[in-house]
Amino acid sequence: DAGITQSPRHKVTETGTPVTLRCHQTENHRYMYWYRQDPGHGLRLIHYSYGVKDTDKGEVSDGYSVSRSKTEDFLLTLESATSSQTSVYFCAISDWTGSTDTQYFGPGTRLTVL
Amino acid sequence: DAKTTQPPSMDCAEGRAANLPCNHSTISGNEYVYWYRQIHSQGPQYIIHGLKNNETNEMASLIITEDRKSSTLILPHATLRDTAVYYCIVMGGATNKLIFGTGTLLAVQP
Repeated sequence: DAGITQSPRHKVTETGTPVTLRCHQTENHRYMYWYRQDPGHGLRLIHYSYGVKDTDKGEVSDGYSVSRSKTEDFLLTLESATSSQTSVYFCAISDWTGSTDTQYFGPGTRLTVL
Repeated sequence: DAKTTQPPSMDCAEGRAANLPCNHSTISGNEYVYWYRQIHSQGPQYIIHGLKNNETNEMASLIITEDRKSSTLILPHATLRDTAVYYCIVMGGATNKLIFGTGTLLAVQP
């Protein structure tokens, strides 16, 4: 158990509404990540953070924003949810050394956008 | 794009060793081979990683060929709880981005 929790675990929302997913860690890891997983695509990186207020885009960042105001929390926001954002979202944490980066994943949030 | 090639599925009898192959012919000298698995509906679970030497931990062994173009993950005594999708990922150097392919679905049969 890498001390990662995600909330909510399940959410159903309507198109056009804002949604915020939370990732919380208890072990003071520097790096945090948001991935989405869809059938046939594996996991794809959305955004990641390398410190408080330091974030960068992944391969599928359009339509998503993130914030990290505290080391322990990394928020993923869908400003105006669309049906294409229906997915399972995973948070991960790590301490990238510049050569190795073992990432540990949370339990996931299943989001359905109607 | 994923830099690895894995068979889409494999079967293994419970109690036997499961050997999962992975090809990574374009691996660079500073890149590591990582293995993760994902049990249905759960988050990916880290298993093991290595650079060029064989590695072993409480979960599995990782055998990397001398030319580093392929590797094999070995689960020594597979159980039903090892049924999962196993991902082989190459990562390292200047990037910390895990790129997941479609993995191998290992089905452990009773």
